[in-house]
Amino acid sequence: AQRVTQPEKLLSVFKGAPVELKCNYSYSGSPELFWYVQYSRQRLQLLLRHISRESIKGFTADLNKGETSFHLKKPFAQEEDSAMYYCALSAYNTDKLIFGTGTRLQVFP
Amino acid sequence: DAGITQSPRHKVTETGTPVTLRCHQTENHRYMYWYRQDPGHGLRLIHYSYGVKDTDKGEVSDGYSVSRSKTEDFLLTLESATSSQTSVYFCAISESGQGNGGEQYFGPGTRLTVT
Repeated sequence: AQRVTQPEKLLSVFKGAPVELKCNYSYSGSPELFWYVQYSRQRLQLLLRHISRESIKGFTADLNKGETSFHLKKPFAQEEDSAMYYCALSAYNTDKLIFGTGTRLQVFP
Repeated sequence: DAGITQSPRHKVTETGTPVTLRCHQTENHRYMYWYRQDPGHGLRLIHYSYGVKDTDKGEVSDGYSVSRSKTEDFLLTLESATSSQTSVYFCAISESGQGNGGEQYFGPGTRLTVT
């Protein structure tokens, strides 16, 4: 069965500190992986997807098939990064996303 | 924001009553989804639609039904609401579906409380 695990419910850091939000997945095939973000009072929105290999708002995520991980990283956290972050997986040739339980990131000044 | 609206935005209802939530889009996207968001569970898919009159179940579909008679509207019905269905419900749309790496665009959410 496909599963996405985000082990941290809450991650608190100070401004300027590095951030790593963990995501592990369980899927036997080749997954498509995404990070979605929900800022306070805003809609859930796509942050980045692994196939595009983009860096959005300073965040990057690398798919590690050996460790079945897709951790989200940023070298220097900003206060405006405070939000709820969801990792999501799409199995090949399906129309559905499977979300993790989410990690709330708090960045203190 | 993509043209997605949800109605109502807030609703309080009693156990045993039927409830219908509406999702309306102006993007003409083929795929529409209903999720519920609960602390400790993240977002879980209830039902989704891949076209008019074409729907399929998600992982938490028990107690819910859906209908899509027009491209732009996707209705979620709780036939007989229970307290366990107290949640925030999100609608999402996608142009190409996830199999092609399609992005989902989310609505503002509906907060439903069942007393």
